[in-house]
Amino acid sequence: KAGVTQTPRYLIKTRGQQVTLSCSPISGHRSVSWYQQTPGQGLQFLFEYFSETQRNKGNFPGRFSGRQFSNSRSEMNVSTLELGDSALYLCASSFNPLGGQTEAFFGQGTRLTVV
Amino acid sequence: AQSVTQLGSHVSVSEGALVLLRCNYSSSVPPYLFWYVQYPNQGLQLLLKYTSAATLVKGINGFEAEFKKSETSFHLTKPSAHMSDAAEYFCAVSRGSQGNLIFGKGTKLSVKP
Repeated sequence: KAGVTQTPRYLIKTRGQQVTLSCSPISGHRSVSWYQQTPGQGLQFLFEYFSETQRNKGNFPGRFSGRQFSNSRSEMNVSTLELGDSALYLCASSFNPLGGQTEAFFGQGTRLTVV
Repeated sequence: AQSVTQLGSHVSVSEGALVLLRCNYSSSVPPYLFWYVQYPNQGLQLLLKYTSAATLVKGINGFEAEFKKSETSFHLTKPSAHMSDAAEYFCAVSRGSQGNLIFGKGTKLSVKP
């Protein structure tokens, strides 16, 4: 069974640009969550999508957005990049039927550097 | 609001010694608790999870954790450390059907030969 795939693995962008990151979940998983990891703030939840709907959202500005497609693949977009957006962005997928909690499986992450 | 506190940002042990990584949680509802491990430049790998079945949970690579409601703790242990255990460990809590995990700040484990 293939794991969670995130592309690209590394990305360098200039301040003010926008970026799109992609995540392909494990086959059969309908929930995709995104996290930002930085040395200072640790792991912070961005948002979760379930069956193409945003089900939960963390405390990030509107520059961070996401979507999920009918095949459960997800993308997150960051507009008007700031230096502080430099981070490892992790995607996690889970089966997560309503009313239950199953473990999340993480991808290897996309390392974004904003210069 | 839920939160997780990991005591000790760095823990160093000798190879063969006991590993103890501490995690305390706060939650207004029965929690789901997880321990994840992260190797450099990698994603997170699940070590074990507590979902209200047994209070002593066994995970991969010889790790286990005990849920103690009275102490709101979920400490991770391994009887004998191996060099390959050197990594960063994260304790996390989640609520029911919601998909997000709330992570502790992480504990970096070093293993000395």
